[in-house]
Amino acid sequence: EIVLTQSPGTLSLSPGERATLSCRASQSVSVTYLGWYQQKPGQAPRLLIYGASSRATGIPDRFSGSGSGTDFALTISRLEPEDSAVYYCQQYGSSPLYTFGQGTKLEIK
Amino acid sequence: EVQLVESGGGLVKPGGSLRLSCGASGFTFSRYTMNWVRQAPGKGLEWVSSISPDSVHTWHADSVKGRFTISRDNARNSLYMEMKSLRVDDTAVYYCARDAYGESGYSGYWGQGILVTVSS
Repeated sequence: EIVLTQSPGTLSLSPGERATLSCRASQSVSVTYLGWYQQKPGQAPRLLIYGASSRATGIPDRFSGSGSGTDFALTISRLEPEDSAVYYCQQYGSSPLYTFGQGTKLEIK
Repeated sequence: EVQLVESGGGLVKPGGSLRLSCGASGFTFSRYTMNWVRQAPGKGLEWVSSISPDSVHTWHADSVKGRFTISRDNARNSLYMEMKSLRVDDTAVYYCARDAYGESGYSGYWGQGILVTVSS
């Protein structure tokens, strides 16, 4: 079973700064099947990144994904107050079919 | 516009049953893998079940295997989750989600979620 571990648990940054969120897998994950979601309070999650580095429809280019093997990252440049949310990484394809990381809470001061 | 609307949630006693429904519109339902994802109060996301476009393949998380059954009716553009032997730790908001691109493995569209509370 693949386990995804996200770090840090909470990240507090100022507008205009850059955020780097980490997602580490317990075993190698195909880049094809690693994605990132954003969830704001009281809302459903929103797909940001699929295939480790491809932006989903309508996602601004401030959001970028990278990584391979067991180490992946989501980078958000030029932070805006609206980026405050919990971010989850997700893998698909290995048992269990889907796995989510535990989430990183991003606070914009 | 893609729309997913869950219904059927509520309060149920431990050991009880519930059937969730998800009505879909704005896309060709029969072409997409559909998923159920849940979120316990104050917790993270947990994948629950998935079903292929033609219903041939279904998958369930170990935590619900043998108790929950996912199904769909492509003629009615509807997704279902039959939940039996409910436990307190099944309490969560349940989201219906559509695959982003067909069978890509990513949930690109989500419903607003429906709360299931299991309590005596």
